Parts: sequence; C-alpha cells; structure tokens
Amino acid sequence: GDSVTQMEGPVTLSEEAFLTINCTYTATGYPSLFWYVQYPGEGLQLLLKATKADDKGSNKGFEATYRKETTSFHLEKGSVQVSDSAVYFCASSYGGSQGNLIFGKGTKLSVKP
Amino acid sequence: DGGITQSPKYLFRKEGQNVTLSCEQNLNHDAMYWYRQDPGQGLRLIYYSQIVNDFQKGDIAEGYSVSREKKESFPLTVTSAQKNPTAFYLCASTARWVTEAFFGQGTRLTVV
Repeated sequence: GDSVTQMEGPVTLSEEAFLTINCTYTATGYPSLFWYVQYPGEGLQLLLKATKADDKGSNKGFEATYRKETTSFHLEKGSVQVSDSAVYFCASSYGGSQGNLIFGKGTKLSVKP
Repeated sequence: DGGITQSPKYLFRKEGQNVTLSCEQNLNHDAMYWYRQDPGQGLRLIYYSQIVNDFQKGDIAEGYSVSREKKESFPLTVTSAQKNPTAFYLCASTARWVTEAFFGQGTRLTVV
C-alpha cells in the first residue's frame, strides 16, 4: 500500500544553519504531496504542497520539489531560525481527496540560538 | 474567523467509559476527518466523512464511532472497546476537490 517515510529525528541545528528533512513516498497513482508543521500542543498547519511532478512548493523560506523519478519530496530551508523549532510531517494524498492523507512519522526540529 | 474548533482541549476518562470528542467547522467544507496521533507514530486515520449522513472507516476504526448529522459537525466517540485510547486526536476538514486540509487544535485524551 501507499506509504510515506521521512528521516527520523530529532534534528538539532544552530540558528542560520541549512536544513534538509528527507521524505520519500510509495504510491500506486500520482498523489499530491504536503509538508505540515506542528508546534507544541497544537494541531497541524499546512506549510507547503505540490500537486504534480516537478512542482516546487514554497512558503516562509521552506521549499520542497516533487521528484517523481526518485519518489521524493525533501524539505529544505537555507537559514533556520529558533522559531522554526517544531515537528514536521511529510504527507501524501490518496483516494481522490486531499484530506485522505498518509503521514510520515514526523521529524522534530530544534534550533538553538 | 473561519476554522475548526475541537473541544475540550484536555479530556480525562476512566477505564470502561465512553467519551465523545467534539469537532465543529465553519468553513463550509464537505469532508471531515479524525486522526489519532501517538508519539513516534505519525497520524493515523480513524474515520472520515465526505457528505452528511455518510462516513467511512479509516485504518484504525475499531473501538471508535462517529456521526455526521450536520455538515459542520463530526463528533468522535471513543468507546470502552478501544483498548488503548490515550492519545492526541486531531480533526480535519477539506473542501471538495481542494488540496488543503485544515486541522483543529486537537484534543488530548488520557485514560486514568
């Protein structure tokens, strides 16, 4: 079945460091791909998305490119801030509705000043 | 402001009791979803509903029940049949054929 695998955390970086969180997916069709962010004690917020191959999603300095050939959707940011500390979830859609999401296990990011 | 409201934020239940988690949305979204979040496990789909008076089981529906009598409401009941109910529960909604899922703030359920 469909699945999403993302790198395990926790990831600890210094402020202004470069961030990469790897995400790969398996799917029988052509899913849309998402990155969600969760701050402590809160729900999930959509960070960025891509709906087809070679699309690049971007928001708040974060970027991810839908790579069909490598079935990947890695999250990157050139210079992280302390306020980026959160848990990041990669997700793919299935079943014809963007709400039927398969999530990775999440990667906790801590940014130190 | 439009959004999804989950209540209560924290809930304690004694073993053997049923408990109902509330989820209300004023986004006029057609579809609503319940997810369970456990540490290190990501999110798993419990139930979803694409339309009023209709819902489908997700991956981990056993021990849970839902209803969808109104478009804006999708309550989740955690029954005594759920063996390990302590978790963080998230409700979400989407408009038809729109890519973004909106999430509520979650309810943390603890069995005592």
